[in-house]
Amino acid sequence: DTGVSQNPRHKITKRGQNVTFRCDPISEHNRLYWYRQTLGQGPEFLTYFQNEAQLEKSRLLSDRFSAERPKGSFSTLEIQRTEQGDSAMYLCASSLTGVKDYGYTFGSGTRLTVV
Amino acid sequence: SQKIEQNSEALNIQEGKTATLTCNYTNYSPAYLQWYRQDPGRGPVFLLLIRENEKEKRKERLKVTFDTTLKQSLFHITASQPADSATYLCAREHTGGFKTIFGAGTRLFVKA
Repeated sequence: DTGVSQNPRHKITKRGQNVTFRCDPISEHNRLYWYRQTLGQGPEFLTYFQNEAQLEKSRLLSDRFSAERPKGSFSTLEIQRTEQGDSAMYLCASSLTGVKDYGYTFGSGTRLTVV
Repeated sequence: SQKIEQNSEALNIQEGKTATLTCNYTNYSPAYLQWYRQDPGRGPVFLLLIRENEKEKRKERLKVTFDTTLKQSLFHITASQPADSATYLCAREHTGGFKTIFGAGTRLFVKA
């Protein structure tokens, strides 16, 4: 297992286009999180899955954002009608229920630039 | 609201000295605090977790403390090396939810 994998690493898109990112968590991890990070800030929570169920979603997340985790394996995050304010690093993390001592395992992120 | 506050100013220290980073939290005391390291353009890497009933925790050159009276955690790196230069993030569980709340991080520069 090579850890949490995110694709693509970088994405440049024009304003108004839709984009989709993929996250492949560590295979035995049942918890999956999406975070967004802008320069000089810490990661900001977007949404959380336990297996295939989306159990929490940030109130800051507009309805242009949607995430799925079919069959409790990989996850996708889609942003529709992108805006310049969506430019950020999108991070995926996974963890195992009941095992807190190892924290989250993060992927390397997808850097989105909206022009 | 439940927040994490870290010193936004960068910390510059000389190689071999001890670096001490501060994390303050607001409102409810979390059951645990986490510390992560983040290098530019990379995702955070988990370092240590300390529970509220643990006063101190160590891992190699790292030491973390948790003071529920001061609502504060201190993160120490002893015998610091230039390779320790990075941003260090403090994080808390969000009481009543599933998410973890991160501070903005403190940038550490260790000069040779």
